[in-house]
Amino acid sequence: AIQLTQSPSSLSASVGDRVTITCRASQAIRHDLGWYQHKPGKAPKLLIYAASTLQTGVPSRFSGSGSGTDFTLTISSLQPEDFATYYCLQDYNYPYTFGQGTKLEIK
Amino acid sequence: EVQLVESGGGLVKPGGSLRLSCAASGFPFSSYTIIWVRQAPGKGLEWVSSISSSSSYMGYADSVKGRFTISRDNSKNSVYLQMNSLRAEDTAVYFCARRRGNSGNYDSWGQGTLVTVSS
Repeated sequence: AIQLTQSPSSLSASVGDRVTITCRASQAIRHDLGWYQHKPGKAPKLLIYAASTLQTGVPSRFSGSGSGTDFTLTISSLQPEDFATYYCLQDYNYPYTFGQGTKLEIK
Repeated sequence: EVQLVESGGGLVKPGGSLRLSCAASGFPFSSYTIIWVRQAPGKGLEWVSSISSSSSYMGYADSVKGRFTISRDNSKNSVYLQMNSLRAEDTAVYFCARRRGNSGNYDSWGQGTLVTVSS
């Protein structure tokens, strides 16, 4: 199974900060990767698909990049509503896998 | 409006069975792959299973292979997850989601249903 390793596992940041989360795959997955935001008690929310395509309705402060094995999610200027846990997901082949998550907390 | 609604969760004893349902509306259901994802208490998201639009392709996480079975009824706009031989570690909130296109694009999700496996 393809392993996705996210870093960091947790992150403290302030409103207005620029934040970058990385996701490394154990083998090449082309651009078959999405990024999700998850808040307690809510459904996960799609932010980015195909590694770098912004989902309709998602603010432009979110961006994604990468292909092959190395991917990044960047939030250019943190807003209060962005504090959540972020996950990458690969669906290149079965079994699909999520990264372990990055919990973004307020400093 | 696209909607996915999970149901069928509840309390079950170890070794027991449960069938989850995911009812869809607001889109041409028979054209979409559907997945199940779960989150155990205090843990991250875990992909559980997927079924393609025509049921031609199905996949399972290693942790549930041989115990869980995914199916769909396009006439009822529904996907099912039959869960047998349940274990304490299957305790989780189970979400269903719609795949749109490809490359990690799961754009619509249900609110989840809680499964608790405990004696």
